[in-house]
Amino acid sequence: AQSVAQPEDQVNVAEGNPLTVKCTYSVSGNPYLFWYVQYPNRGLQFLLKYITGDNLVKGSYGFEAEFNKSQTSFHLKKPSALVSDSALYFCAVRDMNTGNQFYFGTGTSLTVIP
Amino acid sequence: DAGVIQSPRHEVTEMGQEVTLRCKPISGHDYLFWYRQTMMRGLELLIYFNNNVPIDDSGMPEDRFSAKMPNASFSTLKIQPSEPRDSAVYFCASSLAGTPQETQYFGPGTRLLVL
Repeated sequence: AQSVAQPEDQVNVAEGNPLTVKCTYSVSGNPYLFWYVQYPNRGLQFLLKYITGDNLVKGSYGFEAEFNKSQTSFHLKKPSALVSDSALYFCAVRDMNTGNQFYFGTGTSLTVIP
Repeated sequence: DAGVIQSPRHEVTEMGQEVTLRCKPISGHDYLFWYRQTMMRGLELLIYFNNNVPIDDSGMPEDRFSAKMPNASFSTLKIQPSEPRDSAVYFCASSLAGTPQETQYFGPGTRLLVL
């Protein structure tokens, strides 16, 4: 079965410190992985994706994510957090073998403390 | 492109009333998704369409919910009759099917409150 797990409901980090938002996945075929961000009262916005190739993917707003096949993880990272990064982050996996559906994690609320 | 357009942005109604939410996907996208987001249940996929045809409606909560896509540029999600537990933010999203690189683009959502 296809699924995505975000083990942390809440992550707090001090401004300027590195941040990590965790995601693990389970798919039957090749994983196509995505990160989205949701600011208050807004829809989800695409951040970055892994399809194939380099395991380190760079995306919008200075975010990056590392694909680790052996650990079935796709953690979101940023070297230096900004207060404006405070938002809800969703990991998603797309399964082309089951109708192109996206499977979203439960979301992780990131708070960057000034 | 204007992105995915949803209307209304906010809806307040009374229990028992019919509610219709509307979505215009990005032009050229052949997949359309309806999601519901609540604090308790997070983001739930309700139904999705491919080329205007419903593919999977297993996420639709019950018969009170129905969705249609009469053409490639318009979809509706209807709740009849509405109940207070339907209060949530409803998102529409669209994407291209062709390759897995294609991401999903979300609308701003409709915030529904059923009193």
